[in-house]
Amino acid sequence: AQRVTQPEKLLSVFKGAPVELKCNYSYSGSPELFWYVQYSRQRLQLLLRHISRESIKGFTADLNKGETSFHLKKPFAQEEDSAMYYCALSGPGGGNKLTFGTGTQLKVEL
Amino acid sequence: DAGVIQSPRHEVTEMGQEVTLRCKPISGHDYLFWYRQTMMRGLELLIYFNNNVPIDDSGMPEDRFSAKMPNASFSTLKIQPSEPRDSAVYFCASSFGAAGGNTIYFGEGSWLTVV
Repeated sequence: AQRVTQPEKLLSVFKGAPVELKCNYSYSGSPELFWYVQYSRQRLQLLLRHISRESIKGFTADLNKGETSFHLKKPFAQEEDSAMYYCALSGPGGGNKLTFGTGTQLKVEL
Repeated sequence: DAGVIQSPRHEVTEMGQEVTLRCKPISGHDYLFWYRQTMMRGLELLIYFNNNVPIDDSGMPEDRFSAKMPNASFSTLKIQPSEPRDSAVYFCASSFGAAGGNTIYFGEGSWLTVV
């Protein structure tokens, strides 16, 4: 069974501080991992995916198969980063569905 | 494209009433997903369709929930009878191709409150 764990429901940081949103997964094969973001009262949108190895809005995430983790990081938090962040997993080759974690609310304080 | 369109955006209903949530996926997308979002459980996949055919409904909580997709541009999620514990945000999403390899696009959600 595939499972995504986000241990923190809420993460509060000061503006300019580094951010790390934790995500661990359980999957027997080679999963594809994603981060989705939901700004206040807006629709969820894809932030980044591990296969793209990209940096979006200053965020990066590295897939660590040894630790089965896909933590989301940003060196300097901005106020506009305040949002709900969901880590998600799908099976290899795309699979047919995404399994989401319970989400972490990031609050960036001035 | 206007994106995935859901209606109603907000619904307040009394326990025991029937609730119907509607979704129009992005034109050309062949996968449609219904998710439920709650504080306690986060985002849960209820059911998904491929080319209008239900593929996996293992996430549907119980028989009170049903979903249909009569054509490529419309889907409904029905709860009958509704209960207070059904209060949640229900998201519809669509993608072109399988979810993992392709971006899923979400609607703005339907906020359901059952009193």
